[in-house]
Amino acid sequence: GQQVMQIPQYQHVQEGEDFTTYCNSSTTLSNIQWYKQRPGGHPVFLIQLVKSGEVKKQKRLTFQFGEAKKNSSLHITATQTTDVGTYFCAGPGNYGQNFVFGPGTRLSVLP
Amino acid sequence: SAVISQKPSRDICQRGTSLTIQCQVDSQVTMMFWYRQQPGQSLTLIATANQGSEATYESGFVIDKFPISRPNLTFSTLTVSNMSPEDSSIYLCSVYPPSDLLPPYNEQFFGPGTRLTVL
Repeated sequence: GQQVMQIPQYQHVQEGEDFTTYCNSSTTLSNIQWYKQRPGGHPVFLIQLVKSGEVKKQKRLTFQFGEAKKNSSLHITATQTTDVGTYFCAGPGNYGQNFVFGPGTRLSVLP
Repeated sequence: SAVISQKPSRDICQRGTSLTIQCQVDSQVTMMFWYRQQPGQSLTLIATANQGSEATYESGFVIDKFPISRPNLTFSTLTVSNMSPEDSSIYLCSVYPPSDLLPPYNEQFFGPGTRLTVL
């Protein structure tokens, strides 16, 4: 079935440093979503990317969708302690009704 | 958007017993999803629940273990049957926005989750 992989699994950064997580699929994705889950919380939608090569920004977060639509990245500039959490990418499931979540990247930000 | 509530928020159960988790949405939605998230892991889809039809289960999940009800467009239940410690997880329900009737779908809204511990 559809699988998306993410690296790294964990990332520890000093507050103010940048952070990037990468999402890869063996097959072409029609779209990809990103979610953030704070410790003890539930996943919260961040963004959806649809177009090849698409780049979207949300304040300090930059999301990219690869030209081949097989990979995506999330970059956070100048991390803050509020960025702590696990970031998941999710690609469409085999039947298009659901999304398959990647393993996630857990971000720790040291003050 | 959609606001989702789940009951109970957490429970501690003995092995061999069953627990029914409720998911209530503030608006009518076509599909409701049930996920399991084991400690420190990602989300794994258990099943998709459509009103008026049998739930569709993902590979590795069976109806006898995780029976689901979907009596109307705003409510669903997931039962974890004959529990063992391996069932200790967070169980989450999710929906798409009420306006999303066909793919491509937009964001999923998640409930707060039910944290289950099986002793």
